[in-house]
Amino acid sequence: GESVGLHLPTLSVQEGDNSIINCAYSNSASDYFIWYKQESGKGPQFIIDIRSNMDKRQGQRVTVLLNKTVKHLSLQIAATQPGDSAVYFCAELYGGATNKLIFGTGTLLAVQP
Amino acid sequence: DAGVIQSPRHEVTEMGQEVTLRCKPISGHNSLFWYRQTMMRGLELLIYFNNNVPIDDSGMPEDRFSAKMPNASFSTLKIQPSEPRDSAVYFCASSFPPGTDEQYFGPGTRLTVT
Repeated sequence: GESVGLHLPTLSVQEGDNSIINCAYSNSASDYFIWYKQESGKGPQFIIDIRSNMDKRQGQRVTVLLNKTVKHLSLQIAATQPGDSAVYFCAELYGGATNKLIFGTGTLLAVQP
Repeated sequence: DAGVIQSPRHEVTEMGQEVTLRCKPISGHNSLFWYRQTMMRGLELLIYFNNNVPIDDSGMPEDRFSAKMPNASFSTLKIQPSEPRDSAVYFCASSFPPGTDEQYFGPGTRLTVT
């Protein structure tokens, strides 16, 4: 039979523009969130994290925003470069006695030169 | 540090054969995770260990799958017998909570079962 794969949301941006990737998480009790970047043929790579007692955290060219009211997370990439092209995953840690990360389905970022 | 090491990087096997995937976590990390990634289901947690003890294996799909961690520097994921639907990329990751909850991923093993 025909296989049906995940249809990754795709964000296409021009080089130099800012990118915003969004993620909705599932558990209101989650207290830690991570954004990962996965390039083709490689494992996920940590980009930035944020704890639930914060609503914003900045890194180098990246900013993560957390809105706990609506369970929403976003990753902003400034001055997007071709090397930023990858699949981006958000992950939430349920907390408590577990250190189990739950990953979202991912967003494909395509940077056009 | 060399990071998380996985072997083999690629494995092609026939249906019914036993497959063993190997992982060496980052030295000093006390949590180890096995994930499976497919186009259909995305990235799924199969099992994780804390201090070599399996904590949550609810993601292990069937009895054909088993994982061991005999010591702090080595873990295996075994599939016996393998089936074509097991074809996927299998990732190992490690972390050192509570110092950090960040998980460091290995390069993955691409498994193809024909």
